[in-house]
Amino acid sequence: NAGVTQTPKFRVLKTGQSMTLLCAQDMNHEYMYWYRQDPGMGLRLIHYSVGEGTTAKGEVPDGYNVSRLKKQNFLLGLESAAPSQTSVYFCASTPRNNEQFFGPGTRLTVL
Amino acid sequence: AQTVTQSQPEMSVQEAETVTLSCTYDTSESDYYLFWYKQPPSRQMILVIRQEAYKQQNATENRFSVNFQKAAKSFSLKISDSQLGDAAMYFCAISDYTGANSKLTFGKGITLSVRP
Repeated sequence: NAGVTQTPKFRVLKTGQSMTLLCAQDMNHEYMYWYRQDPGMGLRLIHYSVGEGTTAKGEVPDGYNVSRLKKQNFLLGLESAAPSQTSVYFCASTPRNNEQFFGPGTRLTVL
Repeated sequence: AQTVTQSQPEMSVQEAETVTLSCTYDTSESDYYLFWYKQPPSRQMILVIRQEAYKQQNATENRFSVNFQKAAKSFSLKISDSQLGDAAMYFCAISDYTGANSKLTFGKGITLSVRP
């Protein structure tokens, strides 16, 4: 099992550009999450999904969109990147009410 | 809403010694999970230990143990016989046990350094 994988690992964008981060899990987990990690802030929930075809907002959803068309994939999109979105992004998954398994993270820099 | 507070941003311990990392939380739920995650320089989030709130007994995992005080809403992590590989950022987190969403709320983390 590969667990949770994230693509890409690093990315540099210019302000206003768009991109999509891909999260994939091969553990058949129902729930998937996107977090961002900023210095001194811990991890904050952006969006999450409790099943295929469902998404919901987390603590800091503004400027991001998500989609869960397939159970194993959870996509995070930035339509018009801003410098405030410079961060490390983590994806996680869990069967339910249990340990969350995290991907390796994506470091995004917006210039 | 659930909150997690880690008031110490940094701590240091001598190799082979014991260190305790503090965490307090707030929740209106009666059932929930508490976690400690470790994040080494590789950035990977690694689960260290988990505690179910309905269990009286403190969880232990080899050199790692917790002191769970439910009434005080306190959940500290004790690392015994500290090793150089324990140097990392440690996050305390809480999850709603009965909710449908299983969302984690994290503290801001504490950076642990280990002196050889």
